[in-house]
Amino acid sequence: GENVEQHPSTLSVQEGDSAVIKCTYSDSASNYFPWYKQELGKRPQLIIDIRSNVGEKKDQRIAVTLNKTAKHFSLHITETQPEDSAVYFCAASVDTGFQKLVFGTGTRLLVSP
Amino acid sequence: EAQVTQNPRYLITVTGKKLTVTCSQNMNHEYMSWYRQDPGLGLRQIYYSMNVEVTDKGDVPEGYKVSRKEKRNFPLILESPSPNQTSLYFCASSMSPTTGGPIYTQYFGPGTRLTVL
Repeated sequence: GENVEQHPSTLSVQEGDSAVIKCTYSDSASNYFPWYKQELGKRPQLIIDIRSNVGEKKDQRIAVTLNKTAKHFSLHITETQPEDSAVYFCAASVDTGFQKLVFGTGTRLLVSP
Repeated sequence: EAQVTQNPRYLITVTGKKLTVTCSQNMNHEYMSWYRQDPGLGLRQIYYSMNVEVTDKGDVPEGYKVSRKEKRNFPLILESPSPNQTSLYFCASSMSPTTGGPIYTQYFGPGTRLTVL
């Protein structure tokens, strides 16, 4: 089955810096890669996703890149702000008619003012 | 307001005492799923349901049961809870994906923090 590894487990940056979180997956059939943000005590919420027919996707300060050959994808946050502090989860899914998400172990991002 | 609700939000119980965590969604979603979240392990799928009366095991189904008698509800049942089931549980729902079709966002409930003593 699919296995998703996520690094780093914690990441501390200064406000205004960029942050990069990386994930690798094992199943070459995976073709959908969402990223979820979980604030302290809250539920995970989708922030951006990418399908395998796209190499990069951007949404304001957030971007995701995908390298299918190397089986890794990354979340990039530019101009970080304190409200970006949260746990971020990557996930991978095979589009076989049902969405079985396999999640990474999470990255705790801390943005210091 | 479109939402996924869970009850209870917090529960402390003792080993062996049967419990049910309810999950309900008002978005007419076919697909529902249960996850548990543990530190350092991320979210792991327990069970999922593609529609009424259609359920299947996820990655960590041992010790859990589910049922899907109505489209909006997907309760998680722990027949004989044990301390290793102490965790944060999330229910999620989405429209039913189809192969090659659009992939729909999974919406998560607020979570249920369960402690089994």
